Amino acid sequence: DTGVSQDPRHKITKRGQNVTFRCDPISEHNRLYWYRQTLGQGPEFLTYFQNEAQLEKSRLLSDRFSAERPKGSFSTLEIQRTEQGDSAMYLCASSDSGQNSLEQYFGPGTRLTVT
Amino acid sequence: LAKTTQPISMDSYEGQEVNITCSHNNIATNDYITWYQQFPSQGPRFIIQGYKTKVTNEVASLFIPADRKSSTLSLPRVSLSDTAVYYCLVGDKVVTGGGNKLTFGTGTQLKVEL
Repeated sequence: DTGVSQDPRHKITKRGQNVTFRCDPISEHNRLYWYRQTLGQGPEFLTYFQNEAQLEKSRLLSDRFSAERPKGSFSTLEIQRTEQGDSAMYLCASSDSGQNSLEQYFGPGTRLTVT
Repeated sequence: LAKTTQPISMDSYEGQEVNITCSHNNIATNDYITWYQQFPSQGPRFIIQGYKTKVTNEVASLFIPADRKSSTLSLPRVSLSDTAVYYCLVGDKVVTGGGNKLTFGTGTQLKVEL
């Protein structure tokens, strides 16, 4: 257990529905990242927060995706009008800005299946 | 981040030493070499990081030659529980003004058998 939690762990939804995932980072970490991982591939960066500010978004993050981190604590990732191609593992990671930025602590992920 | 190349898969037996080599020909002066381990249905886990020569911790050793164009992750006396995907990444660990998005390749699938 890294101290990063994600909820839910699994989500099955029908195409066209909206889904929302939650990530609770390690409490003293002010950096929070979202990644997406498909079968047989390494995780791909989606977006990054420093405190409550969303500082970077990947071009993978279409306009159907939105992420927030109110108050700089937990974060949510919402996917609107889900498509089958959105099926993946969504991973959240956190790190401390004062330390090694290459050492990130990952949560267990939320596995999304779009039917 | 510099591109890395590592074998797609490796097989080993319990009790053996496993060495996974990663190539990073375009590594920059400020880049560090970092390895992550990922078990099925879990997020990746940081295992070791180094800049040059040799680094050792309770999990693994990392060997980096003088030219730093490659590195080798060494796992001593592996067990079944070391079956996982191992990712090699390179990048500057000190990023001013922002975060550091990790760029993962496909990694090396290590399978340990009895």
